[in-house]
Amino acid sequence: QPVLTQPPSSSASVGDSARLTCALSSDINVFNYKIFWYQQRPGSPPRYLLYYNSDSDKGQGSGVPSRFSGSKDASANAGILLISGLQSEDEADYYCMIWPSNVLFGGGTKLTVL
Amino acid sequence: EVQLLESGGGLVQPGGSLRLSCAASRYMINNYAMTWVRRAPGKGLEWVSSISGSGDNTYYADSVWGRWTISRDNSRNIVFLQMNSLGLEDTAVYYCAKGETATFGVTSFDPWGQGTLVTVSS
Repeated sequence: QPVLTQPPSSSASVGDSARLTCALSSDINVFNYKIFWYQQRPGSPPRYLLYYNSDSDKGQGSGVPSRFSGSKDASANAGILLISGLQSEDEADYYCMIWPSNVLFGGGTKLTVL
Repeated sequence: EVQLLESGGGLVQPGGSLRLSCAASRYMINNYAMTWVRRAPGKGLEWVSSISGSGDNTYYADSVWGRWTISRDNSRNIVFLQMNSLGLEDTAVYYCAKGETATFGVTSFDPWGQGTLVTVSS
């Protein structure tokens, strides 16, 4: 049964960058999946941010700033969400998602912006 | 842009039933698969169920299989989730979300509704 593992928490300072990871279980290969990312601020519904499959196959959600970007780390079998130029409003829970057969979410990372 | 509004949540006893609705406005959703996702207290997002644009194909998480039914009325631009045999573990905020295409497949969910709270308690 595939599993997506995200660190429960992460923190970074305003203006810095945050690198959030989404590790795929060993039974699935990150290069076979589009990785979708969602943001959920306290008291708000989830918001679609972007997906990343490759540099030639990626997409940004409507209105999502370009400082949000995705990538993959083959050595870690993981998807990456990079948030540059952190702002206080970026403090939220972040979820990765893939489609192995049905939909699978990671457990989420709570990002604290210091 | 489409707006989604969930309703039908509330307090229900274990073993009870509820029917959630997701009404779309500003856009017809008949050409899009629709999905329900929940977030239990202190937990992360969990996919629950999806339905194709036509309504001919439905999909369920193992945790709700056989207990719940997703359906849609495209003439009214509404999606439903009939939840039977509710258990304590079903307590969560339930969100509906729109897919990118009519078929259930590798797409984003965008946008999402504000959610409706279901509390299962005796």
